Amino acid sequence: DSGVTQTPKHLITATGQRVTLRCSPRSGDLSVYWYQQSLDQGLQFLIQYYNGEERAKGNILERFSAQQFPDLHSELNLSSLELGDSALYFCASSTRPPVGTSVPEQFFGPGTRLTVL
Amino acid sequence: AQSVTQLDSQVPVFEEAPVELRCNYSSSVSVYLFWYVQYPNQGLQLLLKYLSGSTLVKGINGFEAEFNKSQTSFHLRKPSVHISDTAEYFCAVSDPSGTYKYIFGTGTRLKVLA
Repeated sequence: DSGVTQTPKHLITATGQRVTLRCSPRSGDLSVYWYQQSLDQGLQFLIQYYNGEERAKGNILERFSAQQFPDLHSELNLSSLELGDSALYFCASSTRPPVGTSVPEQFFGPGTRLTVL
Repeated sequence: AQSVTQLDSQVPVFEEAPVELRCNYSSSVSVYLFWYVQYPNQGLQLLLKYLSGSTLVKGINGFEAEFNKSQTSFHLRKPSVHISDTAEYFCAVSDPSGTYKYIFGTGTRLKVLA
């Protein structure tokens, strides 16, 4: 158990719909990362938040958005869903940015499997 | 830009045999390297990481990896595998620009045969 929780575990919805995925980081972790794992694209970084602020963006579609709340949990919002959005969505958390060469390891949640029909 | 290449999509190996999973990276700056394992229907678990120092890194479950800067490689090895090692293995490089987001390889599916 990494200490990162994600809900729901599974989500089945229809094209055109909107869903929200939730992530609670490990206690004390300020950074939250979202990744998408699909068969054709592999594991891809979507977006990072640090202490409530967006820190980095990856291959995230404009239909997708995220936020990190004051209690540090994060939500990934996916709208106008398409069949190709079906994937496993992971959240990871890490400690505050390091000093020197210490790199914060990322701890991954169990993922949310999204199926768009 | 950084990238990670895992040359083998699938590696079948018999139980108790040694295994090497290959990973090559591309980067113009110093990198931090990681190997993660994903068991069926589970999240990713860190096996080991290279940040600096000794190029031979030991991880959990008997795995080790060797960082080779000249060959830009970070191959994962285990001298004797078990059935329970059947999983997907991902090599990742951490972007050192300050965000530390991971760039993952495409993964190698290790199948240990009885």
